[in-house]
Amino acid sequence: GENVEQHPSTLSVQEGDSAVIKCTYSDSASNYFPWYKQELGKGPQLIIDIRSNVGEKKDQRIAVTLNKTAKHFSLHITETQPEDSAVYFCAAGGGTNFGNEKLTFGTGTRLTIIP
Amino acid sequence: ETGVTQTPRHLVMGMTNKKSLKCEQHLGHNAMYWYKQSAKKPLELMFVYSLEERVENNSVPSRFSPECPNSSHLFLHLHTLQPEDSALYLCASSLSTGTGADTQYFGPGTRLTVL
Repeated sequence: GENVEQHPSTLSVQEGDSAVIKCTYSDSASNYFPWYKQELGKGPQLIIDIRSNVGEKKDQRIAVTLNKTAKHFSLHITETQPEDSAVYFCAAGGGTNFGNEKLTFGTGTRLTIIP
Repeated sequence: ETGVTQTPRHLVMGMTNKKSLKCEQHLGHNAMYWYKQSAKKPLELMFVYSLEERVENNSVPSRFSPECPNSSHLFLHLHTLQPEDSALYLCASSLSTGTGADTQYFGPGTRLTVL
C-alpha cells in the first residue's frame, strides 16, 4: 500500500517569510495529492490539491509542486500571516487503491508564525 | 462548517457504555468515511461507504460498528471501548466518481474520551 512521509514535523517562521513543507510517497501510481489545514478544534480543511497531470498549482499565497519522478510534492506558503498557524497534512491517493477513493495521510506539520 | 456536521462534538464514556457518533453531509456526496486521529499519528482510515455499501474496513476492532442508512448519514456505534480508543473521530465525504481519489471534505470531529 501507499506510504506518505512528511517533513518537518514542526516549523516556525517569522511573519512575512515563506514556509515550505515536503512530502514523499511510495506508490508511483498515485495521482492525487491534496493538502489540508487543521486549526485547533476543527476538522481538516482542504487548502489546495494537485493531480499528476500538472507540476505546479498556485492559489494566491499558496502553491503546491509535484515531482512524479522523485515521488515528492511540496506546499509553499509565501508572505506568511499569523492566521496561517495550524497543522498541515499532505495526502496521496488514486494509486493501487484506484476506484475506492482511499487517501493516505502524512503525519502533519505544526506551523507556527512568529509575529 | 455546514457541509459536514458531526454530533456530539465531545463525548466522555466509560468502558462499559454504549454510545453512537453521528455524521451528516449536506453536499450531495455518495461516499462517506470514518477516520481516527490520535496525537502524533497519521489519520487512520477506519471505514469507507460508497453508495451506502461498505467498501473498506481497515481491520478495525468489532467494538466499533459503522452504519450508513443513506448517502447523507453515517453512524459509528461504540461499545466496550478501551482507554486507548480515546481520540478525535473525524467523518468525511466525497463525490465518488469511480475514477480514483476524490477531494474529501471533513467534519469538525468528535473528541472521545474513554475512562
